Amino acid sequence: AQSVTQLDSQVPVFEEAPVELRCNYSSSVSVYLFWYVQYPNQGLQLLLKYLSGSTLVKGINGFEAEFNKSQTSFHLRKPSVHISDTAEYFCAVSGSGNTGKLIFGQGTTLQVKP
Amino acid sequence: DVKVTQSSRYLVKRTGEKVFLECVQDMDHENMFWYRQDPGLGLRLIYFSYDVKMKEKGDIPEGYSVSREKKERFSLILESASTNQTSMYLCAISDRAPDTQYFGPGTRLTVL
Repeated sequence: AQSVTQLDSQVPVFEEAPVELRCNYSSSVSVYLFWYVQYPNQGLQLLLKYLSGSTLVKGINGFEAEFNKSQTSFHLRKPSVHISDTAEYFCAVSGSGNTGKLIFGQGTTLQVKP
Repeated sequence: DVKVTQSSRYLVKRTGEKVFLECVQDMDHENMFWYRQDPGLGLRLIYFSYDVKMKEKGDIPEGYSVSREKKERFSLILESASTNQTSMYLCAISDRAPDTQYFGPGTRLTVL
């Protein structure tokens, strides 16, 4: 069975500092990986996704993630965060089969302080 | 722009009531999903549908049912609401697998 673990439930960071949100997955089949962001009182929106090709994926708002097959990780990074990046971030892996099911991690709250 | 609309942003119901949550899309996507979101648990899949009148159970289907009579509309039904169903409910759609899911704004349901 596939699963996703986000290693930090909360990440506090000062504005303009770099940040890394960690995500590890387990899967016995080919994986497709996603990062979503949820701003307060809103639904989720896609930050970036890895389907195939280059293992370094660039997304919106200056975020990027690297797919590391040997370490089964897909960590999200940003070199310099803004107050507006304060939100909850979810890592997800596609389920087996072709139904488009996603399995989500528990979420990481990024708190950017001035 | 993809638009996924959920019938209510906030809903308060009494224990034992039948509750309907509706999700409507304007994109003609095949797949529709219902999740519930709880702090520390992330999103958990309740049910999904990959075609009209077709449905499959997700990870936590107990206490819920769904209906998809038209392609654009996917309803989540709580047959007899209980306090442990107080949660945020999110609808999502996708065109094909594997690919991006697009989410609605969510319905925050409180069962008293």
